[in-house]
Amino acid sequence: EVQLVESGGGLVKPGGSLRLSCAASGFTFSSYSMNWVRQAPGKGLEWVSSISSSSSYIYYADSVKGRFTISRDNAKNSLYLQMNSLRAEDTAVYYCARGSSTGPHFDYWGQGTLVTVSS
Amino acid sequence: DIQMTQSPSTLSASVGDRVTITCRASQSISSWLAWYQQKPGKAPKLLIYKASSLESGVPSRFSGSGSGTEFTLTISSLQPDDFATYYCQQYNSYTWTFGQGTKVEIK
Repeated sequence: EVQLVESGGGLVKPGGSLRLSCAASGFTFSSYSMNWVRQAPGKGLEWVSSISSSSSYIYYADSVKGRFTISRDNAKNSLYLQMNSLRAEDTAVYYCARGSSTGPHFDYWGQGTLVTVSS
Repeated sequence: DIQMTQSPSTLSASVGDRVTITCRASQSISSWLAWYQQKPGKAPKLLIYKASSLESGVPSRFSGSGSGTEFTLTISSLQPDDFATYYCQQYNSYTWTFGQGTKVEIK
């Protein structure tokens, strides 16, 4: 069974940093692209970042470019999101999602971790 | 950047109704369109990919159609478990964009 479990969320002050993790199991992690998607309270979904299976290709939404860094450790079956220079508008539930092998959609999602940026 | 516009934003319907949700892209995205269902406090669930392909395990009452800039998600006979928010998602040039969502409510 595919499982994605996010961790690392919490309360952080504006300008602060936080590192999210996503532990994957139930599939060959090193064969799949991975993604982060966020959802502000009461709002819709926003794609944040994507990383290819071997980390060769990395993409970011304009809203986080230069502040967030996606990475992965295939030996540890883990995905990460380093978030720096956090702003109030970064407050959201952050989901990790697996990229499908059949196209550019996301077939499995974690339960999410809440990041709150507030003084 | 490509913008995705869903309509309606909210839809009130009864069990057994046929429901259609529309998603329009600001430019052609071929068939790179997916649909997700999200219930309160839960992660999104993939329903449809490549505009019209049904994800494994998803009931056949869900169907998708369209290409280019206009796409639809249809629920042929609404069931109690289908009351949720639905999002379309496009892929183009290494960016992914979601529609703003359509909440399907009980009438």
